[in-house]
Amino acid sequence: GAVVSQHPSRVICKSGTSVKIECRSLDFQATTMFWYRQFPKQSLMLMATSNEGSKATYEQGVEKDKFLINHASLTLSTLTVTSAHPEDSSFYICSARKGTASDTYEQYFGPGTRLTVT
Amino acid sequence: AQSVTQPDIHITVSEGASLELRCNYSYGATPYLFWYVQSPGQGLQLLLKYFSGDTLVQGIKGFEAEFKRSQSSFNLRKPSVHWSDAAEYFCAVGAQGNEKLTFGTGTRLTIIP
Repeated sequence: GAVVSQHPSRVICKSGTSVKIECRSLDFQATTMFWYRQFPKQSLMLMATSNEGSKATYEQGVEKDKFLINHASLTLSTLTVTSAHPEDSSFYICSARKGTASDTYEQYFGPGTRLTVT
Repeated sequence: AQSVTQPDIHITVSEGASLELRCNYSYGATPYLFWYVQSPGQGLQLLLKYFSGDTLVQGIKGFEAEFKRSQSSFNLRKPSVHWSDAAEYFCAVGAQGNEKLTFGTGTRLTIIP
């Protein structure tokens, strides 16, 4: 299998605080992890791509200082939303790839984290 | 740049009826194509994928999809839907040398008794 977990599944935080979301590949080593944001009834928007041990690559329009991504090991990536505001409320989903060969191209998705900023 | 279009925002099908969800892509070379399913409040589960070879691809849960290069399509089909198939379905395209996936806007499937 290829199982990806996220923690927490739901989080409520106050405006101005920071919140960390963890993404773990449970039964494989993930060379690459991706972070997406999904607004209600909309598609997934890629925020950033992270490779273990290197800096994340952010998509255009995504503030790297606000959405801090750390990929410290082959099984763990974290997304920290700093100084959160209500407009950051969203569903955040991570995914992971097993390798770099074409036959490992598919991404395995975590269950998502619902962030609500009050 | 690659792009994906899912023309149908919402489809309603009777339980036991056949299903076809449309997906059109735009990419210059041979794309990598995927269908994912998302239940409410959940992540995405891979249904099937196409990289190369046989253009008719079998997936999990009785789904299949056919890659038609001439029509730039990768439609998802199922001969007989079950109530548990109600979910959001996303088509996605990737490309060799580009690890990112581009997702369509999704099709919400409702199943009626």
